[in-house]
Amino acid sequence: SAVISQKPSRDICQRGTSLTIQCQVDSQVTMMFWYRQQPGQSLTLIATANQGSEATYESGFVIDKFPISRPNLTFSTLTVSNMSPEDSSIYLCSVVQTQLGARGEQFFGPGTRLTVL
Amino acid sequence: GQQVMQIPQYQHVQEGEDFTTYCNSSTTLSNIQWYKQRPGGHPVFLIQLVKSGEVKKQKRLTFQFGEAKKNSSLHITATQTTDVGTYFCARLGNDYKLSFGAGTTVTVRA
Repeated sequence: SAVISQKPSRDICQRGTSLTIQCQVDSQVTMMFWYRQQPGQSLTLIATANQGSEATYESGFVIDKFPISRPNLTFSTLTVSNMSPEDSSIYLCSVVQTQLGARGEQFFGPGTRLTVL
Repeated sequence: GQQVMQIPQYQHVQEGEDFTTYCNSSTTLSNIQWYKQRPGGHPVFLIQLVKSGEVKKQKRLTFQFGEAKKNSSLHITATQTTDVGTYFCARLGNDYKLSFGAGTTVTVRA
């Protein structure tokens, strides 16, 4: 298993500003992801956070809006840039353990609840 | 990418009753995972199914993978208040990326 923490747990921000969300894992993991969950909706994958290289973004998400860092195998940040009310969501990081015998499950952080005014 | 469709969107259940939520795909799935998200919480892994016709049980929860690997179901018997939450099916694709269904939100009447 993996224990994941996220900071901040929630924030209220003004439009036009940026917020950086941190994700810390208690063990080294190869695969780390960032998801968005809009109010009352399902989870949508934003990007794969790659250690030592640029993140891989899904369709509809771009680096200028959601820059991601992954300096090592236990930590990543997601920045939500130039925020608008439409960015109000829960942002979750997740990891998957890929070693032999792993069940393929993803472990999710507790999420960061963002409200943009 | 491949989409997984989930029904119903909402399920209101009397405590003690059974219910089923369904997950369907237009294309063959290599696997299906199920997650539960409690209100205010984050998704927690329940099970992964990979074999055609596979059936797995976890106490009162029964998970099935269709013979054609295009559908899956989660059946809960004798619903309890602890079953409240949203149940998501998800397809695990290339590079361990998950594509989630819309989820079934379960409420329980005591």
